[in-house]
Amino acid sequence: AQSVTQPDIHITVSEGASLELRCNYSYGATPYLFWYVQSPGQGLQLLLKYFSGDTLVQGIKGFEAEFKRSQSSFNLRKPSVHWSDAAEYFCAVVHPYSGGGADGLTFGKGTHLIIQP
Amino acid sequence: ETGVTQSPTHLIKTRGQQVTLRCSSQSGHNTVSWYQQALGQGPQFIFQYYREEENGRGNFPPRFSGLQFPNYSSELNVNALELDDSALYLCASSFPSPNYGYTFGSGTRLTVV
Repeated sequence: AQSVTQPDIHITVSEGASLELRCNYSYGATPYLFWYVQSPGQGLQLLLKYFSGDTLVQGIKGFEAEFKRSQSSFNLRKPSVHWSDAAEYFCAVVHPYSGGGADGLTFGKGTHLIIQP
Repeated sequence: ETGVTQSPTHLIKTRGQQVTLRCSSQSGHNTVSWYQQALGQGPQFIFQYYREEENGRGNFPPRFSGLQFPNYSSELNVNALELDDSALYLCASSFPSPNYGYTFGSGTRLTVV
């Protein structure tokens, strides 16, 4: 069965410092990959997605992610975090050939990002 | 372009009752999926609707059911509520192919007491 692992439950970063959030997946085929952000009590906002092509993808709010097939990883990065980046971050995958995404997204358990002033 | 809207935002139900949650999809999207997010967990896929029919389902019992209407809006119904059904329920709209991505609503917080 497919699975997504986000090894870090909590990460604390100083404002202005760089950030990397880890995501590993287990899947039969290379899935489509997503990063979402969730503020407290809110829904999910898409940061970026990877389907194919250039393995370094740019997203909103200055985020980027790199797909590494050999490591089954899709880590999220930001060169300089802002206090407003404090939130929950979710990595998600979906089967690319499921005839309409009917398997749904499989999410990791999330990483809670805390920003220190 | 309107986003995904869900109603109500919060509700409290008693164990054994039934509940209906509603979702209006983003303009142009014809596929709706529902997710359950327990506290401190990632969302879990419940089911997806396309052309008013369920075309995918996660590991949820039959007391979780849904509908999609001709305007692509959707309902999630949960019968015989259990305490463990307390969660944030998220609706996502999309096109049928996953490579267009998914747009999520802000969710409905259900508390079962």
